[in-house]
Amino acid sequence: KQEVTQIPAALSVPEGENLVLNCSFTDSAIYNLQWFRQDPGKGLTSLLLIQSSQREQTSGRLNASLDKSSGRSTLYIAASQPGDSATYLCAVSGSGSRLTFGEGTQLTVNP
Amino acid sequence: NAGVTQTPKFQVLKTGQSMTLQCAQDMNHNSMYWYRQDPGMGLRLIYYSASEGTTDKGEVPNGYNVSRLNKREFSLRLESAAPSQTSVYFCASSDGTAITGELFFGEGSRLTVL
Repeated sequence: KQEVTQIPAALSVPEGENLVLNCSFTDSAIYNLQWFRQDPGKGLTSLLLIQSSQREQTSGRLNASLDKSSGRSTLYIAASQPGDSATYLCAVSGSGSRLTFGEGTQLTVNP
Repeated sequence: NAGVTQTPKFQVLKTGQSMTLQCAQDMNHNSMYWYRQDPGMGLRLIYYSASEGTTDKGEVPNGYNVSRLNKREFSLRLESAAPSQTSVYFCASSDGTAITGELFFGEGSRLTVL
């Protein structure tokens, strides 16, 4: 059974800092990996989708990398802003059209 | 652009009552999903529908039924609510399947069962 772990569970940084969020998964036989953002009381918003054949994806200040062989992905946020404060979740896809989600990293960016 | 719309946003039920959560998407997506989100458990798939007219069980289907009414709408029904079904429910959709497509989520429906 696929298991997805996100460390740390919570992170607090000052504005302007570059930061890295980690996601690890136990079964490397994945089709893709997605990073989502969730604001309090809201749904999930897709940030980046990395197909299994890709190594990384970039969108603005966000860069996500994927290393299937080691079962790891990282989300790099450059020049963090208070508006980046949210919970970030990663999810990996496997058989049966299923995504397995991590529990997320709660990020706080302090002005 | 509405995306994925869920109703109701909040609901309180008594044990044994029934209710239906409604979901509609306007992106012409083939696949739709129902998840529940619980503290310490993450998001878990209840049911999904890969195309109009088909539905399949996910990780935690017991106590729920679904209907893919048409390509736009996918409803989740609780026939006899239990306190263990207190949760936040999310509907999602994707073009293709979760294996290949980006997932779009609704805002969630917060259900409390007393």
